[in-house]
Amino acid sequence: EPEVTQTPSHQVTQMGQEVILRCVPISNHLYFYWYRQILGQKVEFLVSFYNNEISEKSEIFDDQFSVERPDGSNFTLKIRSTKLEDSAMYFCASRVGEDGYTFGSGTRLTVV
Amino acid sequence: RKEVEQDPGPFNVPEGATVAFNCTYSNSASQSFFWYRQDCRKEPKLLMSVYSSGNEDGRFTAQLNRASQYISLLIRDSKLSDSATYLCVEPSGGYQKVTFGTGTKLQVIP
Repeated sequence: EPEVTQTPSHQVTQMGQEVILRCVPISNHLYFYWYRQILGQKVEFLVSFYNNEISEKSEIFDDQFSVERPDGSNFTLKIRSTKLEDSAMYFCASRVGEDGYTFGSGTRLTVV
Repeated sequence: RKEVEQDPGPFNVPEGATVAFNCTYSNSASQSFFWYRQDCRKEPKLLMSVYSSGNEDGRFTAQLNRASQYISLLIRDSKLSDSATYLCVEPSGGYQKVTFGTGTKLQVIP
């Protein structure tokens, strides 16, 4: 079964540092997403991406966040200057039609 | 503000029982939803989609009640492996934006 792959599985970073979270969506999928889940809380939508541009973004996705699809396979989320409250599980997802979103296994980001 | 609401539970049910969860939503224009399950510290996994015609897959049945603005998930003959958090998911904006419910925790006990 096709998978969405995320790396690294766990990232520890110091406050103020930049981090890049990486995702390889399913190859024939056209729509890409980032979500986050703070421990014990609900999954929150961050951003959707289609045709090399952002389609929608939430209030959480401020100027500290950016997304990129630098080549035909990778989809990245960059946080420019991490804060303690950015500590969360970050999930990448992709979809092709209306059959639902396929999630990667997530990157646990810990900001210290 | 458009929200998706779920009873967080936990629902503790014996093996073999039938259990049902509801999810209410506030956007009257919404026509499709998804149920996902999430195991502890894992990614959400698609369980089933829900449209006005409902959906059934084995022991799982999902219904959409547009008049009362809720969706339901019914699990028959609960198994220990059904223990998880069940997430109600509402796509919007042509599926470009997604709202998750807080999830309902189910614990099936032997």
